[in-house]
Amino acid sequence: DTGVSQDPRHKITKRGQNVTFRCDPISEHNRLYWYRQTLGQGPEFLTYFQNEAQLEKSRLLSDRFSAERPKGSFSTLEIQRTEQGDSAMYLCASSFRTGVSTDTQYFGPGTRLTVL
Amino acid sequence: AQTVTQSQPEMSVQEAETVTLSCTYDTSESDYYLFWYKQPPSRQMILVIRQEAYKQQNATENRFSVNFQKAAKSFSLKISDSQLGDAAMYFCAYRRPPGSSNTGKLIFGQGTTLQVKP
Repeated sequence: DTGVSQDPRHKITKRGQNVTFRCDPISEHNRLYWYRQTLGQGPEFLTYFQNEAQLEKSRLLSDRFSAERPKGSFSTLEIQRTEQGDSAMYLCASSFRTGVSTDTQYFGPGTRLTVL
Repeated sequence: AQTVTQSQPEMSVQEAETVTLSCTYDTSESDYYLFWYKQPPSRQMILVIRQEAYKQQNATENRFSVNFQKAAKSFSLKISDSQLGDAAMYFCAYRRPPGSSNTGKLIFGQGTTLQVKP
């Protein structure tokens, strides 16, 4: 168990380009979350997967954002036609939950996106 | 909607001393979970301590303890015997209880940057 990993760690892109981030959760974790964190602020929830199903999307997630989790393992977050306001740290977290037990979310190191 | 407020953007403490970070939250729910997460510079966020709202006893993890005041909707973190490695940004977070319609997403405060002076 090596923890949650994210790739790339840093991404610099020009406005209007598409970018894709990857998150590899802790193996056997059935829940996966994406958050966005701007400088000096707390993370804000973007979307959530239970296994391969995307069960909740924040209103922060515009139509330019799409996330997938094929086969309930790794997840990708794509941003199309990037804007300068998309510059932020994108955090992934995973957890394992059964029944009504309370699960702990383990965070990855994040992908820092800079849109020029 | 639930909200979490951390009113102290920055705090500092002398090494070996005790410091308390404040957090208040707003909710109409009676059952929920509260967390403190630590985010060191350029490193990933880790869980420090967790409190279930139905438990009256304050949670404790080694040098870290909380003061949970449910009626006041207050959840402060006390760090005893502060160490240089405690320097980080600390986030308070709220989570709805497990349930069919609750995804378990965390609602974070704005964070408090803790500086530890040698």
